[in-house]
Amino acid sequence: NAGVMQNPRHLVRRRGQEARLRCSPMKGHSHVYWYRQLPEEGLKFMVYLQKENIIDESGMPKERFSAEFPKEGPSILRIQQVVRGDSAAYFCASSPPVGGADTQYFGPGTRLTVL
Amino acid sequence: GNSVTQMEGPVTLSEEAFLTINCTYTATGYPSLFWYVQYPGEGLQLLLKATKADDKGSNKGFEATYRKETTSFHLEKGSVQVSDSAVYFCALKSFGNEKLTFGTGTRLTIIP
Repeated sequence: NAGVMQNPRHLVRRRGQEARLRCSPMKGHSHVYWYRQLPEEGLKFMVYLQKENIIDESGMPKERFSAEFPKEGPSILRIQQVVRGDSAAYFCASSPPVGGADTQYFGPGTRLTVL
Repeated sequence: GNSVTQMEGPVTLSEEAFLTINCTYTATGYPSLFWYVQYPGEGLQLLLKATKADDKGSNKGFEATYRKETTSFHLEKGSVQVSDSAVYFCALKSFGNEKLTFGTGTRLTIIP
């Protein structure tokens, strides 16, 4: 049973470009969470999605960041016009329809570097 | 708001030493508490959890007890191994809120 998959594992962008991070949840999981880890800091919650719905985006920056979890395909975290401060590790987690955060399973992360 | 404060790292111990990593929290109500572990190059794995006061979570020789009176959830292991080298994160989840609040992580290195 494959775990949570994220790609790419490493992403390099120049300032002003767009970054797209993908997350495929575990089989049978319909809840997806995105977290960001800045250097030397803990993970910070960004957004919680269910299929085709954003449930909680209280941790998302107000501009340039967006997330989606379509009916088919992976969840996408999109960062437009990246800046150096966006350099971080972005982790995705998934959970089944019941159980909540007690059963969040994390992917290996995407490490974004903005030059 | 919710917050988690973890022992500053890095922590370096010899094999078979006793381990304690301190974790204290601030939250409304009675949160669930967790320890996650991150091995090099991998994602976070749930190590153990406790959902109410005085519960003890345990896994792979690690233990942590939910102490409401001191708002703490310290991680302990009696005899560490080289394979325990990793980064350890303390986290909490409030009732009715699906997001996890993490501490900054403690890097643990065990030397033979």
